[in-house]
Amino acid sequence: GNSVTQMEGPVTLSEEAFLTINCTYTATGYPSLFWYVQYPGEGLQLLLKATKADDKGSNKGFEATYRKETTSFHLEKGSVQVSDSAVYFCALVLNSGTYKYIFGTGTRLKVLA
Amino acid sequence: GEEVAQTPKHLVRGEGQKAKLYCAPIKGHSYVFWYQQVLKNEFKFLISFQNENVFDETGMPKERFSAKCLPNSPCSLEIQATKLEDSAVYFCASSQSDRLILNYGYTFGSGTRLTVV
Repeated sequence: GNSVTQMEGPVTLSEEAFLTINCTYTATGYPSLFWYVQYPGEGLQLLLKATKADDKGSNKGFEATYRKETTSFHLEKGSVQVSDSAVYFCALVLNSGTYKYIFGTGTRLKVLA
Repeated sequence: GEEVAQTPKHLVRGEGQKAKLYCAPIKGHSYVFWYQQVLKNEFKFLISFQNENVFDETGMPKERFSAKCLPNSPCSLEIQATKLEDSAVYFCASSQSDRLILNYGYTFGSGTRLTVV
């Protein structure tokens, strides 16, 4: 079946450290891939997206590249800030059928000053 | 407006009571989705609508959950006879079209936290 696997958290980093959150997927067809961020007590905000192989999504210093050969969409940021502390979700939507998201389990990031 | 508006933000119900949650999608958006976020951040798809028609209801617990999206009214999700395990945050999301979902995803509301005691 279709699924998204994210690395277990929590991830604790010092400010200005490099961040990688791994995400791999299993899907039939050609999914669109997304990273969402959830701050405490809030809803999901779209962070970045990619719709086809080799696309790179980027936003607010975060980047992720759609790698079809490794079925991965790892999230990276070169220098994290305290304000990046949140839960990050990787998700996919298939381009056939019902357009529902398949989410990963989320990775909590805590950035220390 | 440009936000998906969910009400109420918090809802507390005794076990066995009814709970009703509301979602006003962004104007012009024809797709509406409901998700349940339980402990440990797991998201579970419940149901989706295309305009007022059910599009996919494969995630709905049939016995106690129901949902509607009627013209000129907020969409609603109703839980009859709530159970402790229904405690979760319920998110609504909307999108203008299937093409936009694939290219841009949906816009999520800020959720309703349901606590069943």
